[in-house]
Amino acid sequence: EVQLVESGGGLVQPGGSLRLSCAASGFTFSSYEMNWVRQAPGKGLEWVSYISSSGSTIYYADSVKGRFTISRDNAKNSLYLQMNSLRAEDTAVYYCARWESTAGWFDPWGQGTLVTVSS
Amino acid sequence: QSALTQPASVSGSPGQSITISCTGTSSDVGSYNLVSWYQQHPGKAPKLMIYEVSKRPSGVSNRFSGSKSGNTASLTISGLQAEDEADYYCCSYAGSVVVFGGGTKLTVL
Repeated sequence: EVQLVESGGGLVQPGGSLRLSCAASGFTFSSYEMNWVRQAPGKGLEWVSYISSSGSTIYYADSVKGRFTISRDNAKNSLYLQMNSLRAEDTAVYYCARWESTAGWFDPWGQGTLVTVSS
Repeated sequence: QSALTQPASVSGSPGQSITISCTGTSSDVGSYNLVSWYQQHPGKAPKLMIYEVSKRPSGVSNRFSGSKSGNTASLTISGLQAEDEADYYCCSYAGSVVVFGGGTKLTVL
């Protein structure tokens, strides 16, 4: 079964840091592009960041550029999101999702991990 | 990176058909046939329903269909069922970024 499981969320103070992880199983992780997508409470989906299968190409949404860093370890079948200088508006459920660029879809998605930025 | 525009809510009775629009620009929806749609039930992760404008993944009911004209994509659900009540999001590739719509809450009356 193709599966993604996020971890690492929690409560952090404004200006703080957090590192999210996403463990992949059931498919050849190193062959797929991956993304992070977030959803603020009661709000819609927002794309956060993209990383190519090899990790050589990375993109970020303007809202997180310079503060967040996406990375991956293909040997460990894992995706990461290092989040620094966190703000209240970063509060959201963070999903990792597999991306198929030729067809333009996200599938599957993990169950999400909640990040709350508050003092 | 502006969000695609979707109606906040739509509703329909069981058995009826509804259409959700998704309006973008010539930089996203209008330039690429990489529009996808996602269904999200409360507290759950999004589920892929349509990709490449009109293709259905294996396992998705043929009651779901997609189309595109110019800068606007649409999702049509025919023969509405109670379990279709959910939030729906459109999504478009836009070069080095991906943009989502604001989401549409579908209520089955």
